[in-house]
Amino acid sequence: AQSVTQLDSQVPVFEEAPVELRCNYSSSVSVYLFWYVQYPNQGLQLLLKYLSGSTLVKGINGFEAEFNKSQTSFHLRKPSVHISDTAEYFCAVSDGSGDTGKLIFGQGTTLQVKP
Amino acid sequence: DVKVTQSSRYLVKRTGEKVFLECVQDMDHENMFWYRQDPGLGLRLIYFSYDVKMKEKGDIPEGYSVSREKKERFSLILESASTNQTSMYLCASSSQGLNTEAFFGQGTRLTVV
Repeated sequence: AQSVTQLDSQVPVFEEAPVELRCNYSSSVSVYLFWYVQYPNQGLQLLLKYLSGSTLVKGINGFEAEFNKSQTSFHLRKPSVHISDTAEYFCAVSDGSGDTGKLIFGQGTTLQVKP
Repeated sequence: DVKVTQSSRYLVKRTGEKVFLECVQDMDHENMFWYRQDPGLGLRLIYFSYDVKMKEKGDIPEGYSVSREKKERFSLILESASTNQTSMYLCASSSQGLNTEAFFGQGTRLTVV
């Protein structure tokens, strides 16, 4: 079965600094990978997804992620963060058993952007 | 826009009560999910449904049941609420397939006292 590990529970960073949120997955089949963001008191929304093709995926709000099959990683990056990026970020993989599209989530990483 | 609507944002229930959490989606999605969100544990799947009246257990189904009588509605039932079920509950829906994104409701914060 697939699993997802987010390596950092909290990432503090100053405004306008670059940030990387790390995600590793385990899978023996083709994977579909996602990053979701949850702003305070809200549900989750999709930031970006990797389905196939180019390993560098661009998402909303200036975020991008790189799929690395050999390292089974899908790290999220942003070159310059804003206060408004403060949120919890979740990496997810689509479970390859069957065709239902069940998502398996990591533990989440809280990004704290300081002025 | 896809909308996934959870019936309550906040609920307070007593230990032993039967609790119903309702979720409705308006995009004719085949899949619907109930997750539980706890700090440090991320989102854990309780149950999911891939069609009307079809359901599968997720990772933590104990103490919960579900009902899907209509395609647009997916209910989570706590048969006898306990304090360890105090949590944030998130409903999601998606179309069938491995490469489709899930759309989430706003969440229901349930407190069992």
